[in-house]
Amino acid sequence: DAKTTQPNSMESNEEEPVHLPCNHSTISGTDYIHWYRQLPSQGPEYVIHGLTSNVNNRMASLAIAEDRKSSTLILHRATLRDAAVYYCILMEYGNKLVFGAGTILRVKS
Amino acid sequence: DTGVSQNPRHKITKRGQNVTFRCDPISEHNRLYWYRQTLGQGPEFLTYFQNEAQLEKSRLLSDRFSAERPKGSFSTLEIQRTEQGDSAMYLCASSPGQIVQETQYFGPGTRLLVL
Repeated sequence: DAKTTQPNSMESNEEEPVHLPCNHSTISGTDYIHWYRQLPSQGPEYVIHGLTSNVNNRMASLAIAEDRKSSTLILHRATLRDAAVYYCILMEYGNKLVFGAGTILRVKS
Repeated sequence: DTGVSQNPRHKITKRGQNVTFRCDPISEHNRLYWYRQTLGQGPEFLTYFQNEAQLEKSRLLSDRFSAERPKGSFSTLEIQRTEQGDSAMYLCASSPGQIVQETQYFGPGTRLLVL
C-alpha cells in the first residue's frame, strides 16, 4: 500500500488559515489523494480528494504539487470545531482506505 | 438519510466470550466496510462487501473473526473467543458502490473492551 508522511501534530489559532502538509513520494499515477478527519469520539469524516488539479469544496481546499509527491490541505479559517485528527490517504484502485497515524490539529481560541 | 448506525456503541466482555456487532449502512449503499481502530492509531481495514459478496479480507481478520451481509443490507461482525488484544473501536462505513473512487461514510463505531 502506498504510504504518506504527515507531521504528528500542528497548532493553529482560531479564525486563521491552517496548512496541513502530506508527503507521498511513492505515489503512482492512478492514486487519488484523499483527506479524512476524525473528531474526538466519532468515526472518520470525508473532507476532500483530488488527483492532479487543486480542488475546493465548502470544507477545505486541496493543493497538489505538480509532481504529485506532496499535497496540502488548507482550512481557510480554523474554528474550534476543526480540532481533529486529519488523515492523508492514497486510494489505490479499489476502495480500501489505508490510514496512517494522521496529524492532530489543535485550535486555540 | 440517517447515516450509518452501529450497535451496540459500547461492549464489555470477558476473555473467551463471543461478541457480535451490527452495522446498518446508509440506505441503498451497496458497499460496506469494516475497520478496526486501536488507541492512538488510524483505522485499519478489515473487510468489505459489495452487496452480499465479501470481496476482500485483511490478514488482520483471523479465523476468530467473521463478517456477514446476508441480504446486502445490514452487516454483522462476530468475534469468537475474544482476547484482550481485540479491545478496540470497530468502525463500519458504507458507500454507494457506483464508482471506484467513492467517499466512505463512517458510523460512530462500537467500542469493545475485553477484560
